[in-house]
Amino acid sequence: SYELTQPPSVSVSPGQTASITCSGDKLGDKYACWYQQKPGQSPVLVIYQDNKRPSGIPERFSGSNSGNTATLTISGTQAMDEADYYCQAWDISTVVFGGGTKLTVL
Amino acid sequence: EVQLVESGEGLVQPGGSLRLSCAASGFTFSRYAMHWVRQAPGKGLEYVSAITSNGGSTYYADSVKGRFTISRDNSKNTLYLQMGSLRPEDMAVYYCARKGQYGEFDYWGQGTLVTVSS
Repeated sequence: SYELTQPPSVSVSPGQTASITCSGDKLGDKYACWYQQKPGQSPVLVIYQDNKRPSGIPERFSGSNSGNTATLTISGTQAMDEADYYCQAWDISTVVFGGGTKLTVL
Repeated sequence: EVQLVESGEGLVQPGGSLRLSCAASGFTFSRYAMHWVRQAPGKGLEYVSAITSNGGSTYYADSVKGRFTISRDNSKNTLYLQMGSLRPEDMAVYYCARKGQYGEFDYWGQGTLVTVSS
């Protein structure tokens, strides 16, 4: 079965750039998207179609996807960005989620 | 405003059954595929089930195949998940989600907790 691999945790200082990776076989041939989930809340879509931001998502969130890796980049990270982040893609007819990355803003 | 509101939260014994509902509003429900995603306590997101816009096709994760049934009533703008033969490992918050144009889940419900315990 298809798998997406994310680092369990990433730390960043406020104002710096955070990068969270998501690896999967030929992931670049698929559309990747990203969700942000804060404690006790539902996931929120922050990036879809590799690099598109839904309405209301700040410009500091961006995405890329090439080869075997999709990357979520948060520029000028703020304390409010501390959350779990999940990547997601489709493999044939099934949805696959990455294991999630806990972003800590120190 | 798009809204998805799950209901059906409950405590059920192993082997028992439970039906979850997801009431949709703010969009043309009958035009969208809908999905269920769950999250066990302290764990990541797990895909559960999907149904096409007209209900003609369904999909299930291997972990729930043969035990769960997804359905929808487009006249009531409601999505359902009938869960049977529940196991402790089915204990999770269950979210309904709308599938967007590029395979993303663009809207999620608030989630409903299913507890499986004797």
